[in-house]
Amino acid sequence: DADVTQTPRNRITKTGKRIMLECSQTKGHDRMYWYRQDPGLGLRLIYYSFDVKDINKGEISDGYSVSRQAQAKFSLSLESAIPNQTALYFCATSLSTGELFFGEGSRLTVL
Amino acid sequence: GENVEQHPSTLSVQEGDSAVIKCTYSDSASNYFPWYKQELGKGPQLIIDIRSNVGEKKDQRIAVTLNKTAKHFSLHITETQPEDSAVYFCAASPPEAAGNKLTFGGGTRVLVKP
Repeated sequence: DADVTQTPRNRITKTGKRIMLECSQTKGHDRMYWYRQDPGLGLRLIYYSFDVKDINKGEISDGYSVSRQAQAKFSLSLESAIPNQTALYFCATSLSTGELFFGEGSRLTVL
Repeated sequence: GENVEQHPSTLSVQEGDSAVIKCTYSDSASNYFPWYKQELGKGPQLIIDIRSNVGEKKDQRIAVTLNKTAKHFSLHITETQPEDSAVYFCAASPPEAAGNKLTFGGGTRVLVKP
C-alpha cells in the first residue's frame, strides 16, 4: 500500500461546484503539503501544514482552502471550481527538512 | 523570491547515450538542490540531491554537478535505459531545506528510445 494516498485519483466536475481532494499518510510525518502541477510550470505550493493546528498559505493559495483533520490527514478544497484550476494535484509529506514524499496525484478537470 | 529555470523541456536520447538536464537559480542564498523523477501516473520521487558544500555527487548512473558561482546545476544520466524515461524536476531551497521553501523548475520530459 502507498505511504501517501490521495482520493479521488481522477475527477471531472463543472464550474462552480465544490470539490474536495483528500490525502492520508502512514509515514508518521508531521509536515504535509498540497502542490499543483501544470505543464511547463513544475510544482507549485498551494498550502502546507507543519502540525495539526498549523495551516499556512503557499505560493498559489487563492481559490483553495485546506483542513488538517489529524496528523495523517490533509484535505484540499475548491469552494467554487473554475476551469483554470484544471491540473494535477499532489499531496506530499516530509520530516522537518529534506525529502518530500508524494502521493500518486489527483487529476482534476473543471469544465 | 527564488526562480528556477530548467532546460530543455523535452529530451529524446538513444538507449545507451547520456542525458543532461540543466537548471539555473536566482537566489544566491539557496544551497540545497534536489532532483525528482516522476514516472507516468506516479508522484515525483527524490533520486539525488546536492548541497552547496560539494561540487559533484554520484549515485550509480546518475550524477549532479553544481556551480554556485554561476548559479547553475545539472543532472547527468549515463548509459540511459528505457526505465529512465520520465519527467525530471530540479529544485532549489535555502539552507533549512524545508519542504515549504522548495522552488521547482518547469520539468524535463526524457524519452529513451530503444
